[in-house]
Amino acid sequence: ETGVTQSPTHLIKTRGQQVTLRCSSQSGHNTVSWYQQALGQGPQFIFQYYREEENGRGNFPPRFSGLQFPNYSSELNVNALELDDSALYLCASSSWTGPYTEAFFGQGTRLTVV
Amino acid sequence: AQKVTQAQTEISVVEKEDVTLDCVYETRDTTYYLFWYKQPPSGELVFLIRRNSFDEQNEISGRYSWNFQKSTSSFNFTITASQVVDSAVYFCALSPVSNSGGGADGLTFGKGTHLIIQP
Repeated sequence: ETGVTQSPTHLIKTRGQQVTLRCSSQSGHNTVSWYQQALGQGPQFIFQYYREEENGRGNFPPRFSGLQFPNYSSELNVNALELDDSALYLCASSSWTGPYTEAFFGQGTRLTVV
Repeated sequence: AQKVTQAQTEISVVEKEDVTLDCVYETRDTTYYLFWYKQPPSGELVFLIRRNSFDEQNEISGRYSWNFQKSTSSFNFTITASQVVDSAVYFCALSPVSNSGGGADGLTFGKGTHLIIQP
């Protein structure tokens, strides 16, 4: 196990609703990244938080937002849910100790939008 | 823009056969990292290896080996004497080397190769 935990494991929401997904980082890690993995596809980078600030973002609209807390846990918020938002959402934590960081992933939250 | 291509969508072999998973990448960065991750049905991505673009030496770890060729932008993964437990989806990924706070700027993944090892 990586020590990265995500909750909930499964979630069903209705189109137009809002959802919050949570991630607890591995102990000692100060960076959290979020990825969206549609069925049959590779994960796509949503954004990254370092010391409570967003410092990198992929090609996702503003209705995807996040937070990182002082204990380095994180939330992913998605507003105005669309059917295409149905996917596995993966959280990865890492520690920045130089130019390279290694990411450890959680087991994911499977979101279904109906 | 970065891109990772895993042309093999699905591979099925019989246990104990050797199997190679292909990965071709595109990047304008002069320094970068390459990765392989394994994703079992549980969904969690399991880290297998990281390779720095400066280091073209091949690596072997037990039954796993990796062949990095910068000239052809490829980073292939071979499993020797495959086992049923190797069945999973395998992803190749690429990351720029970033000195900004927070390290890596996100991984670019391929679409994955579904490996099926039949007993």
